[in-house]
Order: sequence, then C-alpha cells, then structure tokens
Amino acid sequence: AQSVSQHNHHVILSEAASLELGCNYSYGGTVNLFWYVQYPGQHLQLLLKYFSGDPLVKGIKGFEAEFIKSKFSFNLRKPSVQWSDTAEYFCAVRGSGNTGKLIFGQGTTLQVKP
Amino acid sequence: DAGVIQSPRHEVTEMGQEVTLRCKPISGHNSLFWYRQTMMRGLELLIYFNNNVPIDDSGMPEDRFSAKMPNASFSTLKIQPSEPRDSAVYFCASSSGLAGTQYFGPGTRLTVL
Repeated sequence: AQSVSQHNHHVILSEAASLELGCNYSYGGTVNLFWYVQYPGQHLQLLLKYFSGDPLVKGIKGFEAEFIKSKFSFNLRKPSVQWSDTAEYFCAVRGSGNTGKLIFGQGTTLQVKP
Repeated sequence: DAGVIQSPRHEVTEMGQEVTLRCKPISGHNSLFWYRQTMMRGLELLIYFNNNVPIDDSGMPEDRFSAKMPNASFSTLKIQPSEPRDSAVYFCASSSGLAGTQYFGPGTRLTVL
C-alpha cells in the first residue's frame, strides 16, 4: 500500500538554524511529490512540488527539496529558518498516473524560537 | 483570483443533526477533493470528483457521509446524522485535472457536541 513517513514529528529550532525535514514514501511506480505548509489556523499551502526533471526543486520562501529515487526520499530543506516559518509541514505523494489520489504524511510541527 | 471557497468556516452542531459543508472550486478546475483532518488520523482523503463525477469514495467513513457535485462550481459534503467523532476540520481542494496540483480551501471546522 502507498504510504508516506515523516520521521520528525516535532522540531524546535532557533532562528537562523538550518532545517531538514525527512520524508520517505512507499510506492511501486513513478511518483509526484509535494510539500505543503499549514500555518497556525490556516489552510494548506503548496511549498513546492516535483513531477519530473531536476531532482532538486526550489519552492517559495527559500525552501527546497531533493528527490532521491534510490532512497524513496523527498527531504525538505531551508538554510536559515525564521520565526515566521513556525508551522506544520506535510509531505505528500501521488502516483504519476491520472489517479488524483494524494497520500499525506502525518506532518511535522516546526517551532522556531526567536 | 479567488481560491477554493468553503462555507461555513465553523460549524457547531449537536449529535444527530444533519450537517452540510459546501465548496466552490477554483474556476476552471475540473477535479475536486474532500479531505478530513484530525489529530489522530492526520489528513485523510474522503472522496474525489473529476468532471463532476465521483471517482473514488473509498475514504468515506460510513454511510452517514455523502457527497455531491451537481455542477462544476459547487460541491457538498453531508453528514447525517452527525456524531461527536465526526468533529474535525474538513478541507476541500481542487485541481486542473487529476494529475494537476491540488489547491486547498480554508477548511470548515466542525464540532459535534
């Protein structure tokens, strides 16, 4: 069965620290990969996505992610976090066939201390 | 441009009552998705439509849940009768085709007492 695993459930960092959130997926085929962010009390917003091509994807607000096919991973990174990055981050995977079904990880709560 | 619109934003009801959640997808998007978010289960896909036709409703928890999409600009998710364990945030998302990127609405926070 398809699944997404986010290893870190709760991360606490100080401002200017570097961030890496882990995401591994289980899917037997070509995938599309996504990172969404949910700020407190708000809806999910797309940070970045990977469909094909360059495995290093750059998104909004200085975030990037690298697709490593051999490791079934799509880790999210940011070199220097800000207090405003405090939010919950969700990794999601979908088979690249025309199914539409998006599977989400359990989410990682990031708390950035000023 | 307007994003996905959901109403109401908050709903408090008593057990046994009927609840109807509404969603207006982004104009031009032909795929629509209903999700439920809880602390225990995270984000779960309930049902999705393509060109107003339900494609997969395997995530709908029970017969008490039903969803419709009478036209390209409107969908409803109905719970009848509601139960306290239905309390959650319900999100609607839309995309241009099933392979497109899904954009989420602000959600409806449902509390069933």
